[in-house]
Amino acid sequence: EVQLVQSGAEVKKPGESLKISCKGSGYTFTTYWIGWVRQMPGKGPEWMGMIYPGDSDTRYSPSLQGQVTMSVDKSISTAYLQWSSLKASDTAMYYCARHQLGAAGDYWGQGTLVTVSS
Amino acid sequence: DIQLTQSPSSLSASVGDRVTITCRASQSIESYLNWYQQRPGKAPNLLIYAATRLHSGVPSRFSGTGSGTDFTLTILALQPEDFATYYCQQSYSSPLYTFGQGTRLEIK
Repeated sequence: EVQLVQSGAEVKKPGESLKISCKGSGYTFTTYWIGWVRQMPGKGPEWMGMIYPGDSDTRYSPSLQGQVTMSVDKSISTAYLQWSSLKASDTAMYYCARHQLGAAGDYWGQGTLVTVSS
Repeated sequence: DIQLTQSPSSLSASVGDRVTITCRASQSIESYLNWYQQRPGKAPNLLIYAATRLHSGVPSRFSGTGSGTDFTLTILALQPEDFATYYCQQSYSSPLYTFGQGTRLEIK
């Protein structure tokens, strides 16, 4: 069974760093892209970018370039999304999704809620 | 960036009704159009991919049509569990796979 399991909810202060994770199982992790999606409270999903675990090819949404870093540790089938300095506007639910290039996200993680507040 | 415009933004319907949601792209995206259902507090759930293909396990009352810039999602004979928010998404233009703004389907 294909599963993407994300790390738990986080509460952080502005300026703090954070790394959340997405662990894949039930398929060959290195042969599918992992996309990251942000959903701010009461808003629709927003595609942030994606990473290919096979070779770490990473592509960011132009509006988020430099704001976050995507990485992967294929030895443990885990993708990461990290921030070096959080802002209150980063408060959102973050989802990972498995997909092929040019294709839909067919399996999704359960989401990680990130709350940034002083 | 490719923009996706969904209509309507909200819709009231009754169990058993047929509903149609449209999604228009700002430029041709061929058939790189996907539809998702999202219930409150849950991740989006893939319904239709490549404009017309039903994802595994999705009931056959869901169907998709279209290519180029104009697409539709149709739900035949609404069931209680179908009341949710629906999003279209284009996967034509990497890395920005934009979503539509959503259509909230409510019980009349």
